[in-house]
This record gives sequence, structure tokens and C-alpha cells, in this order.
Amino acid sequence: NAGVTQTPKFRILKIGQSMTLQCTQDMNHNYMYWYRQDPGMGLKLIYYSVGAGITDKGEVPNGYNVSRSTTEDFPLRLELAAPSQTSVYFCASSFQRNYGYTFGSGTRLTVV
Amino acid sequence: ELKVEQNPLFLSMQEGKNYTIYCNYSTTSDRLYWYRQDPGKSLESLFVLLSNGAVKQEGRLMASLDTKARLSTLHITAAVHDLSATYFCAVDMRGSSNTGKLIFGQGTTLQVKP
Repeated sequence: NAGVTQTPKFRILKIGQSMTLQCTQDMNHNYMYWYRQDPGMGLKLIYYSVGAGITDKGEVPNGYNVSRSTTEDFPLRLELAAPSQTSVYFCASSFQRNYGYTFGSGTRLTVV
Repeated sequence: ELKVEQNPLFLSMQEGKNYTIYCNYSTTSDRLYWYRQDPGKSLESLFVLLSNGAVKQEGRLMASLDTKARLSTLHITAAVHDLSATYFCAVDMRGSSNTGKLIFGQGTTLQVKP
């Protein structure tokens, strides 16, 4: 049972480039989330989804987009990367609201 | 707007000592979660607290929730080096929509010295 899988683990982008962070879970969880963690800080919610075809903005959605075409996949798209998007990105999923999250291993992104 | 504050943010303690990490939140919620993060790693779920007065224990860690005071505590008993990590509390954004969104505290970095 793989849990939540994120790829890539590391990436360096140039300013203005775009990329997609992949997130896949094999636990049949309906709820999925994208957070970013800046150095020494807590996690900030970027986008979330409560099921296939349903997504919504979190606290810090600017500069990002998501889609949820299947239960398993929840990719995060960065358009026109900026240095402020340098961060560690975590994808998480949850079976139900009371169960807490299962986190992926994270993607460390640097924008130069 | 829900805010979650932890204190202390950094804690250096000797092995064998006891200490408590506090997590305060600003609006009504009855679901609180504790996570552990080792340096450079992902977050691991420690405790899920789902009601007022809930208490959970695992080894040397015990978590409790007081929804009336909007306070959760993570108590460390007889600390050992293996407990060195950053601990986050997270609060469910209670509302009419059942989204499961969590707001995280800033984290408390615990360093246990021999």
C-alpha cells in the first residue's frame, strides 16, 4: 500500500517557467489537499478537493491551479513561477473529516 | 478567521524531564490533530482529538483537548532523544461545509539533549 505519492521530490525552476506537481493516492480517499511549508513555518492550504470534479481555493491559491479528474490524482499546476513560490509542497489525503491526513513525502521546489 | 498559535516555538530540554506544548486556537472547533515532523521529512499523524475532554496517549506523549478554553496540550513525559522533532497542532475549520480543511500552528521544535 503506497499511500500518498508525490513526484518529483526536488525541482529547480527558473522564473516564469511552469510545472505540475503530481500527487496520487491509492487509499480511495475522497478528500485531498495541497499545502506549502515555508522554512520554519507551519503549513498553508493552497487548494483542496472533496471528491472527483470538485476543487476549491484555500488560504494561498494565487499562482496555482488544480484539477481532480479522478479520485486518485490531484495535480498542482504552477504557472509563471516566482521566487515567492520557493517552498516545500505537501499533498495530503483523508478518508473522512475526522480521520486526519495522510501526507505525501513532499516536493522541494526552488525558483531562481 | 481561525488562527492557531503554539508555544513555545522552540524547546530545548534534558532527557528525563517533563514538559508541555500548548496549542491555542481562536474560534470554535471540536477537532484537533497533532503531527510530528522529523527534519527534511513529511508529517506523521500522532493524535486525533474529536471532543471536549478527549485525552490520547502514546508512549511518552499525551495530548488533551479543552474546547471551551480553545486549548490543546501535548505533554512529554521523561523525554528521550528520539522525541526530538517538530510538533504541529492543526485545527479543523468548523463550518457548514464538510471539507476537512485544517489550519496548522507554526510548529514547536523540540530538542532533547542527553
